[in-house]
Amino acid sequence: EPEVTQTPSHQVTQMGQEVILRCVPISNHLYFYWYRQILGQKVEFLVSFYNNEISEKSEIFDDQFSVERPDGSNFTLKIRSTKLEDSAMYFCASSEAAGGFSQPQHFGDGTRLSIL
Amino acid sequence: RKEVEQDPGPFNVPEGATVAFNCTYSNSASQSFFWYRQDCRKEPKLLMSVYSSGNEDGRFTAQLNRASQYISLLIRDSKLSDSATYLCVVNIAGGFKTIFGAGTRLFVKA
Repeated sequence: EPEVTQTPSHQVTQMGQEVILRCVPISNHLYFYWYRQILGQKVEFLVSFYNNEISEKSEIFDDQFSVERPDGSNFTLKIRSTKLEDSAMYFCASSEAAGGFSQPQHFGDGTRLSIL
Repeated sequence: RKEVEQDPGPFNVPEGATVAFNCTYSNSASQSFFWYRQDCRKEPKLLMSVYSSGNEDGRFTAQLNRASQYISLLIRDSKLSDSATYLCVVNIAGGFKTIFGAGTRLFVKA
């Protein structure tokens, strides 16, 4: 079964540094998403991406964050000037179509980001 | 009011029991609905989509009431492997924005 893959599985970074989290969505999927989950809290939507542009973003997704699809397979989340409160699990997801057409999202197994 | 609200539980049930979870959503523009399960420190995994007419997948039945903005999940004949957190998920804004409930924890005991 095709799956979403994320790298690295665990990233440890000093506060103030930049990190790039990588995702390879399922190959025939067109819609891509990033979420975060702080330990013990709920999954929070960050951003959706379609046709090489952001479709929707949450209030969490401020200027510190950016997304990119640099080639035909990778989808990246960049976090600049990391803060302690950025420590969380970050999930990438993809779907064939937007959820409005009842297409579910498939999740990668996440990158655990630890800011020291 | 929270956008998607669930009873956090935990629900502690014996094997073989039937258990029901409820979820309410506040945004009337919500378009599609799903139940996911999440095991401890793992990614959310799709359990089932929720259709307007209600739908069933094996031991699992989902219902949607758009008028009351309410979604339910019924699990029959609970198994030990059903122990997990069940997440109610709602898509709005044409599907480009997804809101997760905080989840309901289920423990199934032998």
